[in-house]
Amino acid sequence: DGGITQSPKYLFRKEGQNVTLSCEQNLNHDAMYWYRQDPGQGLRLIYYSQIVNDFQKGDIAEGYSVSREKKESFPLTVTSAQKNPTAFYLCASSIVRSGANVLTFGAGSRLTVL
Amino acid sequence: AQKVTQAQTEISVVEKEDVTLDCVYETRDTTYYLFWYKQPPSGELVFLIRRNSFDEQNEISGRYSWNFQKSTSSFNFTITASQVVDSAVYFCALIKLTSSNTGKLIFGQGTTLQVKP
Repeated sequence: DGGITQSPKYLFRKEGQNVTLSCEQNLNHDAMYWYRQDPGQGLRLIYYSQIVNDFQKGDIAEGYSVSREKKESFPLTVTSAQKNPTAFYLCASSIVRSGANVLTFGAGSRLTVL
Repeated sequence: AQKVTQAQTEISVVEKEDVTLDCVYETRDTTYYLFWYKQPPSGELVFLIRRNSFDEQNEISGRYSWNFQKSTSSFNFTITASQVVDSAVYFCALIKLTSSNTGKLIFGQGTTLQVKP
């Protein structure tokens, strides 16, 4: 079945360590996105990419980095510069065309920094 | 600036009750899309509906219905005869049609719905 796979589902890290969250899709979607979810704040866009080897900052990109070397993959690195990294991270993908595309989401990765 | 407000943080109902989740949005654009997504305990967001700003017809899908009113900038979601499986967090979201960044959804804070048996 087509979908988005995020791993790991749960991740614990010590303060000051970089961590990388994986996101893989087999939907043949050109666009991929990373959102952060905090309790009571909805979802906020971190980064997005509409084509391989290109990506754009979202609303809260500071302290994060991404790469898009393959169409299917869009990993997110949470760096030590991110001041409050404990959160639920959601990856999504969509086709790219004019208009408002429907996003397909993965099941998320919960990062806890100790 | 664009903004989506879901004033109801948590709602608790008993199974078979009807429940309405409110969504109020702000935008200066005349062309935009509104969405509802459901987030069950498993975590992934599931798409429920997309409505463009030129289509104010109400929509019904099974036990779900949506009431879009541009005059009050609202896009409310009603679940009729709620079931325990409806328990989830529900998000309302807004996007500009003309934006090339089609994934830049602006989400509300979410409403947690608990349906008790």
